Amino acid sequence: AQSVAQPEDQVNVAEGNPLTVKCTYSVSGNPYLFWYVQYPNRGLQFLLKYITGDNLVKGSYGFEAEFNKSQTSFHLKKPSALVSDSALYFCAVRTMNTGFQKLVFGTGTRLLVSP
Amino acid sequence: AAGVIQSPRHLIKEKRETATLKCYPIPRHDTVYWYQQGPGQDPQFLISFYEKMQSDKGSIPDRFSAQQFSDYHSELNMSSLELGDSALYFCASSLSGSVYEQFFGPGTRLTVL
Repeated sequence: AQSVAQPEDQVNVAEGNPLTVKCTYSVSGNPYLFWYVQYPNRGLQFLLKYITGDNLVKGSYGFEAEFNKSQTSFHLKKPSALVSDSALYFCAVRTMNTGFQKLVFGTGTRLLVSP
Repeated sequence: AAGVIQSPRHLIKEKRETATLKCYPIPRHDTVYWYQQGPGQDPQFLISFYEKMQSDKGSIPDRFSAQQFSDYHSELNMSSLELGDSALYFCASSLSGSVYEQFFGPGTRLTVL
């Protein structure tokens, strides 16, 4: 079975500081990893994905994530946080196995960026 | 750019009633997914369709059914509603294949009283 873990329910960071939101995964086979962001009462917005290739993936709104196969991690990062980045962040995984097109989400991490 | 459209955005029903949620995918997307997100929970996969055929099934109750129509829109039918069905229901669409990201609609908030 495939799964992702987001060990932090909440991350607090001051505006202008770097932020990291952690994600580890467990899959059989090669993982396809995704980050989504959810603002209150809104749908999930796609931020970035890792499929193959360069381990550092750049996405929307200045976010990036680093795929680390040995640590089975895919942490989300941003060099300088904005107050508007405050939201709920979900890591998700899927594999290329037939029928496994669904996304399996982590439990989410709430990011609070203080002014 | 066109996004996934869901209707209605809000729905209030009584216990044991039925509800129908609609989803209109992004043009040219051939795969539709339904997810349920309870309060404070992560989205849970319910069911998906590829080219109008069910492609995968998750934790969808037997009281629920879904289909995808010839114009690729999808409907989630929910019967004998229970209080625990109150949740945010998301539809997502994508091109087929695991490498493609899913684009989510704004969701339908269902409240069962």
